[in-house]
Amino acid sequence: AQKITQTQPGMFVQEKEAVTLDCTYDTSDPSYGLFWYKQPSSGEMIFLIYQGSYDQQNATEGRYSLNFQKARKSANLVISASQLGDSAMYFCAISPHNAGNMLTFGGGTRLMVKP
Amino acid sequence: GAVVSQHPSRVICKSGTSVKIECRSLDFQATTMFWYRQFPKQSLMLMATSNEGSKATYEQGVEKDKFLINHASLTLSTLTVTSAHPEDSSFYICSARTGVPTGANVLTFGAGSRLTVL
Repeated sequence: AQKITQTQPGMFVQEKEAVTLDCTYDTSDPSYGLFWYKQPSSGEMIFLIYQGSYDQQNATEGRYSLNFQKARKSANLVISASQLGDSAMYFCAISPHNAGNMLTFGGGTRLMVKP
Repeated sequence: GAVVSQHPSRVICKSGTSVKIECRSLDFQATTMFWYRQFPKQSLMLMATSNEGSKATYEQGVEKDKFLINHASLTLSTLTVTSAHPEDSSFYICSARTGVPTGANVLTFGAGSRLTVL
């Protein structure tokens, strides 16, 4: 079984500053993928970034980067140069590579960007 | 990119009635679709995995007779909430993948359906 823990229920960040959203995970599978999704108030799930467990380098996608520390089982999301439109719920998720893309989500972090 | 259309986006029904939610992959064939449920201010919980042409696999604690899932084609999966009650009020969201389930094969989510049972 997989477990994702997001310890920050809510976070504030000043516009244009960087923010780190925490995610720790637990899995017995040796090969897995870690995902971050953004869910605005409208409800849709927007894929942000993916990190494979055997990837040597941390993933980056534009203003999003993933601070992957395998030994600590953490996969924190870093958003640089925050924008007002970044205000949303953010979910970390894990999927073992033998689970056919079945995602297990964390509890989420609500990010609020202040102007 | 891949698009998943979910309909209806909002539905209000009376207690005891059944409601059908559709999830369509618009520009790709989805061999597998997943149905999630999200209560207010909570995370997404997987309800079931829907495979085209076969019975859905339900997660522990999800009543398969109450939440009927049909995946009759490679582009359509439906979730029917039968004899709905107020406690079934929730946000239901589907996701789809196509082809080989590699690690980086990103799921595409529908926009979700908000069900309110009066």
